Amino acid sequence: DQQVKQNSPSLSVQEGRISILNCDYTNSMFDYFLWYKKYPAEGPTFLISISSIKDKNEDGRFTVFLNKSAKHLSLHIVPSQPGDSAVYFCAASVGGTSYGKLTFGQGTILTVHP
Amino acid sequence: NAGVMQNPRHLVRRRGQEARLRCSPMKGHSHVYWYRQLPEEGLKFMVYLQKENIIDESGMPKERFSAEFPKEGPSILRIQQVVRGDSAAYFCASSPGDNRDPRETQYFGPGTRLLVL
Repeated sequence: DQQVKQNSPSLSVQEGRISILNCDYTNSMFDYFLWYKKYPAEGPTFLISISSIKDKNEDGRFTVFLNKSAKHLSLHIVPSQPGDSAVYFCAASVGGTSYGKLTFGQGTILTVHP
Repeated sequence: NAGVMQNPRHLVRRRGQEARLRCSPMKGHSHVYWYRQLPEEGLKFMVYLQKENIIDESGMPKERFSAEFPKEGPSILRIQQVVRGDSAAYFCASSPGDNRDPRETQYFGPGTRLLVL
């Protein structure tokens, strides 16, 4: 039962262009969404998040969009840089007593070519 | 300030042996989460612990797996009688346990890669 899905295993982008990573979810109880970045042999690092009461959150080159009716979120990186090459995980959470618990997607490998 | 420490980084076990994975949270953090990443999959929640308490173990397999976070020392994830399907990367995360949202303040360790032969 994959409640958070990242259907694109990989994405290749030219430096300076926009990277768009997509994520779909099925659980309507999710009320908080996060993106993590992971380099090989390291743990995931928090990148950006969005609450279900918003439809957009921006932090520098990173913007996350949330479409609740479609149960879809996306991460935009612009302009993309070679250092952005990593695995990106989308994660979701349900509020409540254990709301630190995260449900992750399978990840998308982003490669940014110089 | 050291981040979340996990050891060993790599662990090889034969079927039927025990595996002990250790996680030292960031200084000042009192909450620990364990996640497992099987090959080609995302991280899956296993257990959430506070000092001396298991708060949520809904992701833990019913048998062979146990976790603890004692008052002193690291958190331990223990897998008894390992099988090949236990081969995975095991990540620990810690959060401060204060008023900040733990969903944004989870810091992950580098993981332990367990290989069962």
